[in-house]
Amino acid sequence: GAGVSQSPSNKVTEKGKDVELRCDPISGHTALYWYRQSLGQGLEFLIYFQGNSAPDKSGLPSDRFSAERTGGSVSTLTIQRTQQEDSAVYLCASSSYETLNEKLFFGSGTQLSVL
Amino acid sequence: AQKITQTQPGMFVQEKEAVTLDCTYDTSDQSYGLFWYKQPSSGEMIFLIYQGSYDEQNATEGRYSLNFQKARKSANLVISASQLGDSAMYFCAMRGIYNTDKLIFGTGTRLQVFP
Repeated sequence: GAGVSQSPSNKVTEKGKDVELRCDPISGHTALYWYRQSLGQGLEFLIYFQGNSAPDKSGLPSDRFSAERTGGSVSTLTIQRTQQEDSAVYLCASSSYETLNEKLFFGSGTQLSVL
Repeated sequence: AQKITQTQPGMFVQEKEAVTLDCTYDTSDQSYGLFWYKQPSSGEMIFLIYQGSYDEQNATEGRYSLNFQKARKSANLVISASQLGDSAMYFCAMRGIYNTDKLIFGTGTRLQVFP
């Protein structure tokens, strides 16, 4: 696609429910990243995919968070048993390579609100 | 470990004036890249400028320039001739040669341009 696409743009859920956030990267981009941005805060790295594999899962905040990527393209971030502290904007980004100067292209994010 | 520090939570500047947004970093990698992103109220992350640690000259992109002082580990963004549309959050980020899979962000600086 022309840019990184994320859906839904907004998600309101009740505490304890599971949610799935979707990211469709730029066509041909092999690297995919998930970040979390809490209100007024910087970007917190969650997970990175190279192709379908995720060599670095160190940023996932708890075992309630998981992510997968299939076909080297679309990625899904799943949060189980959501808590109020999970409320944030979840940003997805992609890039062609992981060289030093390779910039990330970001989607518009999913605003998650846990009531 | 790598770390980005942005000590200015908010900055004000008058239209047409120049403004400097501070960024300091810490890394043990000998080679690294530094990025600046802009995030308007709409939420998208817009890439502004890149500086490689071995680049001999400071990076420039239109009204944006980077005051890179390697010995001081600082990479300040200079915006010349500020415009009202420059009002946004600005994030400094870095990627190290041994951690190319991860772009680490600072907490950001909110810039407000007034007429």
